[in-house]
Amino acid sequence: DGGITQSPKYLFRKEGQNVTLSCEQNLNHDAMYWYRQDPGQGLRLIYYSQIVNDFQKGDIAEGYSVSREKKESFPLTVTSAQKNPTAFYLCASSIASNNEQFFGPGTRLTVL
Amino acid sequence: QQQVKQSPQSLIVQKGGISIINCAYENTAFDYFPWYQQFPGKGPALLIAIRPDVSEKKEGRFTISFNKSAKQFSLHIMDSQPGDSATYFCAASKGSARQLTFGSGTQLTVLP
Repeated sequence: DGGITQSPKYLFRKEGQNVTLSCEQNLNHDAMYWYRQDPGQGLRLIYYSQIVNDFQKGDIAEGYSVSREKKESFPLTVTSAQKNPTAFYLCASSIASNNEQFFGPGTRLTVL
Repeated sequence: QQQVKQSPQSLIVQKGGISIINCAYENTAFDYFPWYQQFPGKGPALLIAIRPDVSEKKEGRFTISFNKSAKQFSLHIMDSQPGDSATYFCAASKGSARQLTFGSGTQLTVLP
């Protein structure tokens, strides 16, 4: 059963702690993306990666970091430098030659 | 800078009616315009997409109308059903970068 999985579904963090969100895909897609979604707003791009071991900053990369050591995995770390991390985080992937992005189910992060 | 403006923010339609959501873009380099449907607590799912070489694309009850000169595109949902109640996002991207710029979303409610 192919798709994108994100874990955990809900995550709670204390202020000052780093936290890592998992994103795995078995679609054999080359590109992967991380978006942030806030209430009443569209999705905003945090980071994206078009190939393994390479990634670029999106529109709101400050306070976040990523790695792409394997084609199927693109974890996102929300660092303590992110001033307002409470949000719904969405991971997506696409094949190299197609604009269509497939989204995972999301992780809701709450900072206490 | 919001490059894709979406309206209305919310929409209430009677069952069987037509739902219309509009988007306007600024960047004339955009060449791919998808619409995504999102249910609460889930990731967005691609509904329908269009490229600027056509003025209309229809898939079942969903139609995209595209006006290149006005830099506008819209989603029409015919015979709207309560199951269509969701948040709809328009988006746009350009070239091979495949970075999507999203509108702010429209919350559609279809009354039974």
